[in-house]
Amino acid sequence: DAGVIQSPRHEVTEMGQEVTLRCKPISGHNSLFWYRQTMMRGLELLIYFNNNVPIDDSGMPEDRFSAKMPNASFSTLKIQPSEPRDSAVYFCASSFVTGDQPQHFGDGTRLSIL
Amino acid sequence: GQNIDQPTEMTATEGAIVQINCTYQTSGFNGLFWYQQHAGEAPTFLSYNVLDGLEEKGRFSSFLSRSKGYSYLLLKELQMKDSASYLCAVITGFQKLVFGTGTRLLVSP
Repeated sequence: DAGVIQSPRHEVTEMGQEVTLRCKPISGHNSLFWYRQTMMRGLELLIYFNNNVPIDDSGMPEDRFSAKMPNASFSTLKIQPSEPRDSAVYFCASSFVTGDQPQHFGDGTRLSIL
Repeated sequence: GQNIDQPTEMTATEGAIVQINCTYQTSGFNGLFWYQQHAGEAPTFLSYNVLDGLEEKGRFSSFLSRSKGYSYLLLKELQMKDSASYLCAVITGFQKLVFGTGTRLLVSP
């Protein structure tokens, strides 16, 4: 089975530009999570969805960040406008709904904002 | 608030045993995960504890004491490929995972 698929793997763009990160969860998983990882702050949960519905977006840093999950097999995380401090690795993860099921992570998108 | 503490870095020798500690103070607790993350790669699941005690899985074991807010990951017969970061994560609510900043383990020959 394919794992969680993220695209692009790397993104370099100038500040002020819109950035869209994409994620395809593992088929059959009904929960999807977006994380950001930096050296200073480690792995932080931004938002998560259950059955395509956003459950908790308290980790979204500010209004410049938005996430959608239009169907069970696709999600996007958008940053508009982007800033240099948004530079990080963004991971998407998916799991079954029960709490004891581990989250499976995609390979991440390494984002650099110049 | 949520507070999960792990040592920043540890070193050990191939073939040895190493114990990575994690202490937590969180607003809720529904279980604890350990993940392994090699440099430049995604975190991968190692273990899950929700009840007190030891869970053994091959060379890796994980222990939990809920009353002490404490867990450890025990790695036996260390191999070079075990050089990685090890992340402790607590489920604080419905599926919500809070991660520690991770422990970077360096295994030397």
